[in-house]
Amino acid sequence: SQQGEEDPQALSIQEGENATMNCSYKTSINNLQWYRQNSGRGLVHLILIRSNEREKHSGRLRVTLDTSKKSSSLLITASRAADTASYFCATDFGGYSTLTFGKGTMLLVSP
Amino acid sequence: EAGVVQSPRYKIIEKKQPVAFWCNPISGHNTLYWYLQNLGQGPELLIRYENEEAVDDSQLPKDRFSAERLKGVDSTLKIQPAELGDSAVYLCASSLGEGVEDNEQFFGPGTRLTVL
Repeated sequence: SQQGEEDPQALSIQEGENATMNCSYKTSINNLQWYRQNSGRGLVHLILIRSNEREKHSGRLRVTLDTSKKSSSLLITASRAADTASYFCATDFGGYSTLTFGKGTMLLVSP
Repeated sequence: EAGVVQSPRYKIIEKKQPVAFWCNPISGHNTLYWYLQNLGQGPELLIRYENEEAVDDSQLPKDRFSAERLKGVDSTLKIQPAELGDSAVYLCASSLGEGVEDNEQFFGPGTRLTVL
């Protein structure tokens, strides 16, 4: 079963705009990770946020985590056409190092 | 440094035929994972290895699926016989191993299986 649920399922924006994707999960986690998957390619790790962190930045990426609401958001600023991909959140319960992925958000960035 | 290598990239077979996928993890990574990804879905874990030991195979359909990781390096995932519903992308990933904080997983490009 898939614990994380991303919202929205699909998002279409213009280059230069910001893109925000949300992820909700059901049980306590050790950390939450975001991955990107381009069409026909494997997943690439973007950023990890631990359960005791509230916000993290990496380049044009900003991730927030609200453990009380069991939710996370991924913000991509100043989007580019190359950001077009599917984005997945994955929760890590700790201990056994197994990730549980959501269904993903498909992001389309038009030039 | 080479990433996770998988082969073949694509495979088309008829139902009831056997099929095998191969994965070579990143050198030094003790943990290896096989995931199944259906269209429009996120990856779902099939099996996880710590070195040569399968420590989590609870989601592996053992009636038709099997996996091995001899010598704790390369791994093979097999389906016999394949069914139409097995059409999906099979992803392999590796990570340093248990006990490592922020145990990031590195994914291969996957094998896209089509069962006709």
